[in-house]
Order: sequence, then structure tokens, then C-alpha cells
Amino acid sequence: EDKVVQSPLSLVVHEGDTVTLNCSYEVTNFRSLLWYKQEKKAPTFLFMLTSSGIEKKSGRLSSILDKKELFSILNITATQTGDSAIYLCAVVITNAGKSTFGDGTTLTVKP
Amino acid sequence: DVKVTQSSRYLVKRTGEKVFLECVQDMDHENMFWYRQDPGLGLRLIYFSYDVKMKEKGDIPEGYSVSREKKERFSLILESASTNQTSMYLCASSLNPLLAYADTQYFGPGTRLTVL
Repeated sequence: EDKVVQSPLSLVVHEGDTVTLNCSYEVTNFRSLLWYKQEKKAPTFLFMLTSSGIEKKSGRLSSILDKKELFSILNITATQTGDSAIYLCAVVITNAGKSTFGDGTTLTVKP
Repeated sequence: DVKVTQSSRYLVKRTGEKVFLECVQDMDHENMFWYRQDPGLGLRLIYFSYDVKMKEKGDIPEGYSVSREKKERFSLILESASTNQTSMYLCASSLNPLLAYADTQYFGPGTRLTVL
């Protein structure tokens, strides 16, 4: 059975802290791994990773994939209250585009 | 920008009613998905469709059916709603999966369904 596990499930930090969110996976047919941010409404896309060791970066957020150890991390530096959200990791497992999602990490950033 | 819309933001139905949730995307995407999201359980795939009239079961299809008569529209049907189907339902779409960069899914705002 395909499985995506995120840790921690929840995290409370203060503004300015750096956080690392983890996503490990066991799937039969890996195609890509995606990170999404979900605030009050729909998830929005952050990163798509297909190759090991290549860091993707967008402002204070960055992510990297390790296909040998089967995990990805999402780093957020200098956190702000606007970073408070659920962060979802999804692995695309078929060439038809089907994804399996992790349970998400709920990040709360306090002022 | 891709726009995915869902017919209702909030819906309250009674046990045994037939419920239709509609999703429309305006970017000519091939793939469309229906998920439900429950606290502590993440997003779980109910059904997806990779072309008009084509559908595949996801991880939790029981109690649901879908219809895709036109490329832009994907409907989720609860034939006889039950209280355990109370949830947030999210629709998403993505491009042709044969394209290497096409895996990003674009989500609608969600429908919060309550079954009494």
C-alpha cells in the first residue's frame, strides 16, 4: 500500500524561528513529490520535486528531495505569522497523475 | 490563472438524500480529482478522471459515484447521503499527465457538507 507520512503533525513556533517539515514515502511507482500550503481554503502549490539533491527555493521557503532515503524536507526560515497553515506533502504515484497525500503538518507561528 | 470553482461552499443535507457536488475548471485540464479532507486524515482521493467519460476509483470510493460528461465539469454524487460523509470536499484539476511538469494540482475552494 502506498504511504506518505508527514512529521511532525503539528508545530508551534515564534516569529523569526526556522522550521523543518518532513515527508517520507513508500510508494510503488514514484513520479514526483509536491508540497502545498493550505490556509483557510484550498491548498496552493509550493514546490514540485522530481530529482534528488536539487534544492527548490522560493523566498524564505526551500525544499529538497532524497530519492534514496525516500523523504523530502520543507524549510521555512525567519517564520512570520502569515506562514501559519497546514503544509501538505503529496506523492504522484502513477502516470495518470494520481496522488497520495500525507496527513499534513499544522504550523502555528506566534508573534 | 487557473480557476477551479465548486457549486457550493456550504451544504446541509439529510440522511438518505441524493447529493450532487459540481466542479468546473476553466483551463482545459485533462485530469480532475475529488478528495475529502477530515481532521487528522489529510486528503483522501475518492475518484479521479483523466478524460471525458473516463474515471478511476481512488482510495475511498465507497458510497460515491462520479460523472464527467464534459471536459471542464466533474461531478461527485452521493447516492444516499450518510452522516459519515460529513466532510470537506475538495475538487482539483491538473494538466495532461504525459507532460513532465503537469503534476501540480489546482484546487477549488471546497464544499463543506454536513449530513444530518
